[in-house]
Amino acid sequence: EIVMTQSPATLSMSPGERATLSCRASQSVSTHLVWYQQKPGQAPRLLIYGASTRATGIPDRFSGSGSGTEFTLTISSLQSEDFAVYYCQQYGNWPPLTFGGGTKVEIK
Amino acid sequence: QITLKESGPMLVKPTQTLTLTCTFSGFSLSTTSVGVGWIRQPPGKALEWLALIYWNDDNRYSPSLKNRITTTTDTSKNQVVLRMTNMDPVDTATYYCAHRQGHNMPFFDYWGQGILVTVSS
Repeated sequence: EIVMTQSPATLSMSPGERATLSCRASQSVSTHLVWYQQKPGQAPRLLIYGASTRATGIPDRFSGSGSGTEFTLTISSLQSEDFAVYYCQQYGNWPPLTFGGGTKVEIK
Repeated sequence: QITLKESGPMLVKPTQTLTLTCTFSGFSLSTTSVGVGWIRQPPGKALEWLALIYWNDDNRYSPSLKNRITTTTDTSKNQVVLRMTNMDPVDTATYYCAHRQGHNMPFFDYWGQGILVTVSS
């Protein structure tokens, strides 16, 4: 099973700042990596797939990069609606599909 | 427009079997490449994938749970049913069903609202 590790667990940021979230896979998943955003009481929302392709309707301030075992989600300028928990998920070697533990982006 | 909604009991007792129904619209499980997933999330914790049900019944299950999980589909009603046996308090979680994005894309672009299932005597 591929273990996904996200860091940091919590990121304290101010609106307008650039946020960088990391996701590491225990073995290579190529670019088979997605990012989700989840707000309290809501279902996850697909942001990025294929490590770097934005899903439909996702603003371009969200960008993904990486391949192999190291991945990054960047939010170029945090908006108030971006404060949430972010999860990565791999689909490079499955079953099982595995998720990271999440990074909470909170207001500083 | 794709929508999904989970239904079922919100409280089950330990050792009981949980039965959840995902009712969806905007797509059909009789269409090639369509898939529906089940994912759960214990309170305050991360997401955990449970199952992925395909249009052709070539389903995939979490290895750690496959002995406890069965799924059935009713294409005429646009429903997928998840059954999980021998429920335990650690299975307390919000259970989501979700639409798979597409062929060779085992991730999820549309999600139901989720249903919180508590396992307690």
